[in-house]
Formats: sequence, C-alpha cells, structure tokens
Amino acid sequence: SQQGEEDPQALSIQEGENATMNCSYKTSINNLQWYRQNSGRGLVHLILIRSNEREKHSGRLRVTLDTSKKSSSLLITASRAADTASYFCATDSDSWGKFQFGAGTQVVVTP
Amino acid sequence: ETGVTQTPRHLVMGMTNKKSLKCEQHLGHNAMYWYKQSAKKPLELMFVYNFKEQTENNSVPSRFSPECPNSSHLFLHLHTLQPEDSALYLCASSQDRGAARNYGYTFGSGTRLTVV
Repeated sequence: SQQGEEDPQALSIQEGENATMNCSYKTSINNLQWYRQNSGRGLVHLILIRSNEREKHSGRLRVTLDTSKKSSSLLITASRAADTASYFCATDSDSWGKFQFGAGTQVVVTP
Repeated sequence: ETGVTQTPRHLVMGMTNKKSLKCEQHLGHNAMYWYKQSAKKPLELMFVYNFKEQTENNSVPSRFSPECPNSSHLFLHLHTLQPEDSALYLCASSQDRGAARNYGYTFGSGTRLTVV
C-alpha cells in the first residue's frame, strides 16, 4: 500500500520563485527522504530527515517534518530551470531500510 | 553518473520473448533492489538482495526472475511478459539494507521497457 503521497501532483513556477510540495503518510516512520528524478533518469537522493528532527536544510532545499500531522514539506528557494524534475518522498517504517515512495510532484520551472 | 549502471537503456520486446536487464554497481554496496515505475504511480518495490541473498519478493509474478550472482551485479530475467509490464525498471543499491535507513539509495538511470 502507498505510504507517502505528494501534493500537488504538478507545480509550474517561474525562475526565482519558491516551490513548495508536501508529503503525507499514514503510519509512524523512522526516517523520511526526498528524491529528485529528471525526465527518463533514475532518482537522486536529496535529503533525509529523521523522525526526531523538525527541520533540515541543504543548500536551497528546506525540509520540515511534522510527525503529529504525519506530513513533510520540501521547499526549493530561488528556483532555477535546472530544478525542473519530479520530486518524491520516501518513508521508512521498518528496521530493514524498506522505503515506500509516493507518485511524486512534477515541478516545471520556466525561465 | 551515480555509480549504478543499468543496461540496456531501452528495450522493446514481444510477449513471447525472453530478455534480461542488467544492473552493475562499483560502490562497494551489499544491498541491491529492483523497482518498477509506471506512469503516475508510486514506485513499486519488486525484489531486494542483501549480501547476495534475496530478502524480499514483493508478490512479483513469476514471469520476472531476479538473479544476484555477486554483490556488484543484479539481473532481472523477463519471459512471457504482458503489455501492462511496460514501465521504467530501476535498480538501486545501498551499503546494506540497514544503512539505507540513514543514507538512502543510489539509483541507476533505469531501463525503459516496452512490451508489444
């Protein structure tokens, strides 16, 4: 069954704007990760946030986690055309590194 | 390049054909995974190998047969597929299954499979 679910399904913004996408999940998690996938390519690991963390930064990326609401958000600040991709959240709820992915948010950044 | 290489990049096969997908990593990882990615759907975990032992078969039909001869190579053997099996097949690796919790997966670029 699907654990992580991203929202919105698609997002279109202009360069320089911020992009925010959300991930909701159903059961308790150990960690939550965000990945990026460029068209026709594999997924690239962006950032991991642990269940006892509330916020994490990496460059222009900011991830928040609210375990009480079972949700996470990914913010991309000052977006660039190169940020055009699909973004996935993956949740890990067992001890064996088995992740469940959502269907992704497709982000298009226009110059 | 991520260090995980998948071949071929594209594959078109008939329903009666037999073909194999190959995944190779030189990252020193000990866990390898096959995922299926269909349009507008979440990634589906198919198989997991940890130190060459299959530790997960996620109710995958027997027309998909994995093989892991060593920690660096993973194959997915295909036979008598159906058109609904058309998808992007992604291979991933991690240091081991437990380490994936802290460091995530490294993915290959995938094989785009079309069954006609």
